[in-house]
Amino acid sequence: AQRVTQPEKLLSVFKGAPVELKCNYSYSGSPELFWYVQYSRQRLQLLLRHISRESIKGFTADLNKGETSFHLKKPFAQEEDSAMYYCALRWGYNFNKFYFGSGTKLNVKP
Amino acid sequence: EAQVTQNPRYLITVTGKKLTVTCSQNMNHEYMSWYRQDPGLGLRQIYYSMNVEVTDKGDVPEGYKVSRKEKRNFPLILESPSPNQTSLYFCASSPPGTVNTDTQYFGPGTRLTVL
Repeated sequence: AQRVTQPEKLLSVFKGAPVELKCNYSYSGSPELFWYVQYSRQRLQLLLRHISRESIKGFTADLNKGETSFHLKKPFAQEEDSAMYYCALRWGYNFNKFYFGSGTKLNVKP
Repeated sequence: EAQVTQNPRYLITVTGKKLTVTCSQNMNHEYMSWYRQDPGLGLRQIYYSMNVEVTDKGDVPEGYKVSRKEKRNFPLILESPSPNQTSLYFCASSPPGTVNTDTQYFGPGTRLTVL
C-alpha cells in the first residue's frame, strides 16, 4: 500500500532558525513526491516537486530513496512561512492518483 | 480570473438525503479530482477524472459518485449521505498533460455536516 507519513502535527520555530518538516513514504515503485502548502485563508497550492530539484521561497526537499524520505528544509525560517504543509505522493498507472500525508502545521515565532 | 469554484461552501444535511456538491473550473483543464480532508488524516482522494466521460476511483470512493459530462464541471454526488461523510471536501484541477497533474489548482472547500 502507498503511504505518506508526516510524524509532526505541529512544528514551532523562531524566526531565523532552520526548519525541517519530515515526510516518509512507502511505495513499491518509483515515487514522485511533492510538497503542498496552505497559508491562512488561502487555498492549497503546490510548493515544490522532487523531480525538478528546485528551491521555492528558500525551501528545498531532497528525495532519499534509501531512507524513503522527502523532508522539506529551509535554513532560515520567516514568519510568512507559517502555514500548513502537506507531503504528497503521486502514483497509479498514469500517475493520476495522489496520496497526501496528514500535514504539519509550521508556526514561525517572531 | 482563473479559478476553481465549489458550491455550496457550507452544507448541513440529514442522513439519507441525496446531495450534490458542484465543482467548476474555467481553465480548460482536463484533469479534475475530489478530496476529503479529515483531522489527522490529511487529504484523501475520492475520485478523479482524466477528461470528459473518463473517471476513476481514488483511495476512498465508497459512498460517492461523480460524473464528467463537460470539461469544466465535475460534481460530487452523495446518493445517501451518512454521518461518516461529514468532512471538508476539496475539488482540484490540473492543466493538460499527465506530467502536469501535480500542479493542481484547488477550490475553496465545502464543509459538509451530515446529521
